[in-house]
Amino acid sequence: DAGVIQSPRHEVTEMGQEVTLRCKPISGHDYLFWYRQTMMRGLELLIYFNNNVPIDDSGMPEDRFSAKMPNASFSTLKIQPSEPRDSAVYFCASTLGHHNQPQHFGDGTRLSIL
Amino acid sequence: KQEVTQIPAALSVPEGENLVLNCSFTDSAIYNLQWFRQDPGKGLTSLLLIQSSQREQTSGRLNASLDKSSGRSTLYIAASQPGDSATYLCAVSEAAGNKLTFGGGTRVLVKP
Repeated sequence: DAGVIQSPRHEVTEMGQEVTLRCKPISGHDYLFWYRQTMMRGLELLIYFNNNVPIDDSGMPEDRFSAKMPNASFSTLKIQPSEPRDSAVYFCASTLGHHNQPQHFGDGTRLSIL
Repeated sequence: KQEVTQIPAALSVPEGENLVLNCSFTDSAIYNLQWFRQDPGKGLTSLLLIQSSQREQTSGRLNASLDKSSGRSTLYIAASQPGDSATYLCAVSEAAGNKLTFGGGTRVLVKP
């Protein structure tokens, strides 16, 4: 079975540009999470969805960050405008929420803002 | 606010030794605790999930224990191999399907 699929795997862009990260969760999972990983702060939850509805976005650092889940098989995380301090690895994860199932992670998007 | 701590941050052992990785959390009202492995440049792979009502879980050479009242979990890896070299992270969930709070991880190196 296909796992969580993220694209692109790597993104290098100049500050001020818009960045869009994409995620396809595992089919049938009803929870989707966006995390950010840096050396300084470790893994931090940015936002999560249940049945395509955002539940908690308290981890989104600023209004420059936004996330959508238009359907059960696709989510985007957008940064506009991007800044060098946004450079990190961004992970998407999904799970089946009510059966004590583990979260399944994608391979991440390594984002570098110059 | 839940805080998760993993000590030590790094560990180096010769092949064949048993590994003991520690995780502590500040709020005992958890739903489950999960142990993950992360290889360089990769995402996290779930190793074990312990429900709050359980005391331990086992999978092959891996065994994880949970003591909710003291806010601690330990991951044991028996007879370590060079292929066990990776970063191991623990995380706690406070509700079904809910967000995970991660520890900082323990980077493990198993020397041949």
